[in-house]
Amino acid sequence: NAGVTQTPKFQVLKTGQSMTLQCAQDMNHNSMYWYRQDPGMGLRLIYYSASEGTTDKGEVPNGYNVSRLNKREFSLRLESAAPSQTSVYFCASSEGQGRIYEQYFGPGTRLTVT
Amino acid sequence: QQPVQSPQAVILREGEDAVINCSSSKALYSVHWYRQKHGEAPVFLMILLKGGEQKGHEKISASFNEKKQQSSLYLTASQLSYSGTYFCGTESGYSSASKIIFGSGTRLSIRP
Repeated sequence: NAGVTQTPKFQVLKTGQSMTLQCAQDMNHNSMYWYRQDPGMGLRLIYYSASEGTTDKGEVPNGYNVSRLNKREFSLRLESAAPSQTSVYFCASSEGQGRIYEQYFGPGTRLTVT
Repeated sequence: QQPVQSPQAVILREGEDAVINCSSSKALYSVHWYRQKHGEAPVFLMILLKGGEQKGHEKISASFNEKKQQSSLYLTASQLSYSGTYFCGTESGYSSASKIIFGSGTRLSIRP
């Protein structure tokens, strides 16, 4: 099993450009998440999807959109990139939410916006 | 509100013990602990639920004081492999819409 995979691993964008970060998991998990991590900081939740067909905003959703394409895939789109969106983006998945569960993280996408 | 972790950083010699604390201003349903090594993704260590239920992967212990809205992670007889940044995350409720809010981390360095 590959677990959680993310593409691309690295990306440089110019201000105003758009891009989509891809995430897929092969563990048949219901819930998926997108986090951003700024240098020396913790993880901040951007959006999450409790199940296929549903998405909800997290702590820092502004400037982002998401699509839960199917149970496996959860993409994050930046419509008009800004330097403040320079960060490392992690996708994660879990069997569910509430009660006992653990999140499995992908390797991350390092995004620089100039 | 983001939970507060202390200390922000700690340096140990191999074999020493450490305690990392996590506190919240809100009533908590659960506390999650993750470790992240430099340049890698966070990895699950433990979850503690209100009422005492818990699940963990390694020989790491933790406590959850529901009344004080605090949790502590205990690292005993530390090994070099324990180095990394430890994050606590908290949930204030149990529902399909609940989400983890992470603290800013505690950086742990183990020296031989």
